[in-house]
Amino acid sequence: NAGVMQNPRHLVRRRGQEARLRCSPMKGHSHVYWYRQLPEEGLKFMVYLQKENIIDESGMPKERFSAEFPKEGPSILRIQQVVRGDSAAYFCASSLGATPAEQYFGPGTRLTVT
Amino acid sequence: AQKITQTQPGMFVQEKEAVTLDCTYDTSDQSYGLFWYKQPSSGEMIFLIYQGSYDEQNATEGRYSLNFQKARKSANLVISASQLGDSAMYFCAMREGQGTNAGKSTFGDGTTLTVKP
Repeated sequence: NAGVMQNPRHLVRRRGQEARLRCSPMKGHSHVYWYRQLPEEGLKFMVYLQKENIIDESGMPKERFSAEFPKEGPSILRIQQVVRGDSAAYFCASSLGATPAEQYFGPGTRLTVT
Repeated sequence: AQKITQTQPGMFVQEKEAVTLDCTYDTSDQSYGLFWYKQPSSGEMIFLIYQGSYDEQNATEGRYSLNFQKARKSANLVISASQLGDSAMYFCAMREGQGTNAGKSTFGDGTTLTVKP
């Protein structure tokens, strides 16, 4: 049973380019969460999605960031016109539901903006 | 608002000894879960242990145990018989089960544990 998969694991972008981060949840999981970890900090919630719906995007920056979880395929976190401050590790997690049970984390995507 | 506080930025422990990593939390929800994760230098988040707010017994997983004191809102992680491979960053996290925060996790700032040989 494959765990949460994220790709790419490492992504380098120049300032102004677009970054697309992909997350495939565990089989059977329909809840996906994105978190960002800045250097030397803990993880911060960004967005919570279910299939075709954004449930909570209270942690998403207002501009340049968007997320989707289509009916088919992985969840995508998209960052337009990246800046150096976007350099961070981006983690995806999935769960069966929104109950306070275990969330399963992916290995993360490390984004470096040069 | 939910909040996790880890007051120990760094901890040292001698190999084979036990160590306690502190975590306090704040929530107005009655239904919540508390988690500890290990993040080694390679960067992945490794789930260690889970405690539900309604669980009466403290959770244990091998060498890890969670000292859950609900009235004090604390959820300390105890690692027994420390090993060199335990050296890593440790994060305490909470998920609420109801209301607008249901599902998403709130993390503390982490504690860096160094195990000395």
